[in-house]
Amino acid sequence: NAGVTQTPKFRVLKTGQSMTLLCAQDMNHEYMYWYRQDPGMGLRLIHYSVGEGTTAKGEVPDGYNVSRLKKQNFLLGLESAAPSQTSVYFCASGLTGRSMNTEAFFGQGTRLTVV
Amino acid sequence: DAKTTQPTSMDCAEGRAANLPCNHSTISGNEYVYWYRQIHSQGPQYIIHGLKNNETNEMASLIITEDRKSSTLILPHATLRDTAVYYCIVSYNTNAGKSTFGDGTTLTVKP
Repeated sequence: NAGVTQTPKFRVLKTGQSMTLLCAQDMNHEYMYWYRQDPGMGLRLIHYSVGEGTTAKGEVPDGYNVSRLKKQNFLLGLESAAPSQTSVYFCASGLTGRSMNTEAFFGQGTRLTVV
Repeated sequence: DAKTTQPTSMDCAEGRAANLPCNHSTISGNEYVYWYRQIHSQGPQYIIHGLKNNETNEMASLIITEDRKSSTLILPHATLRDTAVYYCIVSYNTNAGKSTFGDGTTLTVKP
């Protein structure tokens, strides 16, 4: 059971370039989330999804777009990368609130540097 | 979601109990208390959660005060591998994934 898998694990971008981060989960979870974590700080929610075909903004959505075309995948896009987006990005998934399994499962992170 | 306050850092001797406090004085009646931890720069790991009653699992115990304004995570026999950042989160959702993670408490377990 792979859990939550993030691709890629590391990436260096030049300012203005675009890229897509992929998150895949094999636990049939309804909820998926994208967070960013800057050095020495906690996680901040970028966008989230409560089901296939739906997305919503979190705390820090500016500069990012997301898509949830398939239940198992949640994509995070940077259309024009900026140095301020240098961070570690974490994806997470979880079941709906009615389930007994209520914790969120996190991927291992994508370390993105924008130069 | 209610905000939480945690100490920035704590030390604990290996083999002793680690008691990590969290204040959440603005918690609402249907908000849960969750604890996660993050080892090095790995993805956060769920530990435990509770609403009103104290909870225990194979990893830890969660003690919630009667007024629910504070809680304590207890690692009964801390090991070096428990050194991590511990996050206390309060959330309406029974899934804490949508909630904000603060700066947490850095627990250092020393030999």
